[in-house]
Amino acid sequence: NAGVMQNPRHLVRRRGQEARLRCSPMKGHSHVYWYRQLPEEGLKFMVYLQKENIIDESGMPKERFSAEFPKEGPSILRIQQVVRGDSAAYFCASSPPGATGELFFGEGSRLTVL
Amino acid sequence: GDSVTQMEGPVTLSEEAFLTINCTYTATGYPSLFWYVQYPGEGLQLLLKATKADDKGSNKGFEATYRKETTSFHLEKGSVQVSDSAVYFCALTRSGGSYIPTFGRGTSLIVHP
Repeated sequence: NAGVMQNPRHLVRRRGQEARLRCSPMKGHSHVYWYRQLPEEGLKFMVYLQKENIIDESGMPKERFSAEFPKEGPSILRIQQVVRGDSAAYFCASSPPGATGELFFGEGSRLTVL
Repeated sequence: GDSVTQMEGPVTLSEEAFLTINCTYTATGYPSLFWYVQYPGEGLQLLLKATKADDKGSNKGFEATYRKETTSFHLEKGSVQVSDSAVYFCALTRSGGSYIPTFGRGTSLIVHP
């Protein structure tokens, strides 16, 4: 029973390039959450999605960041025109329908912007 | 809004010492409370949870009791091991909301042999 799968685990981009991070939730889970973790800081909520719907994107920067969770395939977090401040670990988590807060996390994607 | 406050780390202990990591929260209604653990290079894993006042969550020797009167959910373990070295996150979800967890900043625990 595979857990939450994230890829790539490590991604290096130069300023101005695009970064795409992918997340496949656990089997049977239809809710996906993206969090960002900066050094010496906690987890900051970015976006909560269900299949084909963005439920809450209150933590997502208004510019350059977007997320989707299509009917088929993984959830994608997209960062356009990356800047050095985007360097962080990005964690995806999933939960089944009806869950009340327990999340299952992937191992994270670590983005480094040169 | 909702918030979780954890004691600052790192917490450094010798093996077999007693552990307490403090966590207090601010939330409306009756939140559910969680402790997650993050080992180096890995994602977070749920350690334990409590969903109502006076509930005690426990797992792997760790315990935490939901104290509504003090809005606290302190994590304790009677005898830590080197393998417990990790970052511990306290979190809450608010009932009746979207169940998006709010996390504390995390507390790093370092256990020396």
